[in-house]
Amino acid sequence: QQPVQSPQAVILREGEDAVINCSSSKALYSVHWYRQKHGEAPVFLMILLKGGEQKGHEKISASFNEKKQQSSLYLTASQLSYSGTYFCGTERAGANNLFFGTGTRLTVIP
Amino acid sequence: NAGVTQTPKFRILKIGQSMTLQCAQDMNHNYMYWYRQDPGMGLKLIYYSVGAGITDKGEVPNGYNVSRSTTEDFPLRLELAAPSQTSVYFCASSSKVGGNQPQHFGDGTRLSIL
Repeated sequence: QQPVQSPQAVILREGEDAVINCSSSKALYSVHWYRQKHGEAPVFLMILLKGGEQKGHEKISASFNEKKQQSSLYLTASQLSYSGTYFCGTERAGANNLFFGTGTRLTVIP
Repeated sequence: NAGVTQTPKFRILKIGQSMTLQCAQDMNHNYMYWYRQDPGMGLKLIYYSVGAGITDKGEVPNGYNVSRSTTEDFPLRLELAAPSQTSVYFCASSSKVGGNQPQHFGDGTRLSIL
């Protein structure tokens, strides 16, 4: 039930854009996105509920396509502070827990 | 704002020893979770609890036990530690009141079994 994330790693220069994808083989109720910096705990970014909504957080936004059971995280005009590993967590209807993907390591260089 | 507090931050155990990882939250959250994170990997759910007195297994419960006697505390017990349990352990809590809510993570416990 673990979602699949792609790409596994990406390197960007400051100001460039990136897209991180999260796919599940199961019907989803919601998708959570978290960012984890090296040696630290994951930090919540946003939740998307089924309904195809989009959300934004600073220059980071996300979408959820419930028909395809896919979510995408969009990072626009990346900053050095965006570096870290991004995880999606997927939740099925009626469940009390999340399944996390293996993560996408994002490195932003000057 | 303490949030989710985990103790200890680091621990080295010998094979076969036992220990309890402590987790406490002061946000009055009803849901609590234990994850393990192996190097370069994602988070695997060990156990979770939806309220005091209620616990359930996650993806990788073997070798662990939990209890939830209060809303605030959710300790994780390792019995007969094995090298495969070397990992970083994260505790998290969530409200789940009023719809879908984020999980708040503690700083983690780095555990090595030698």
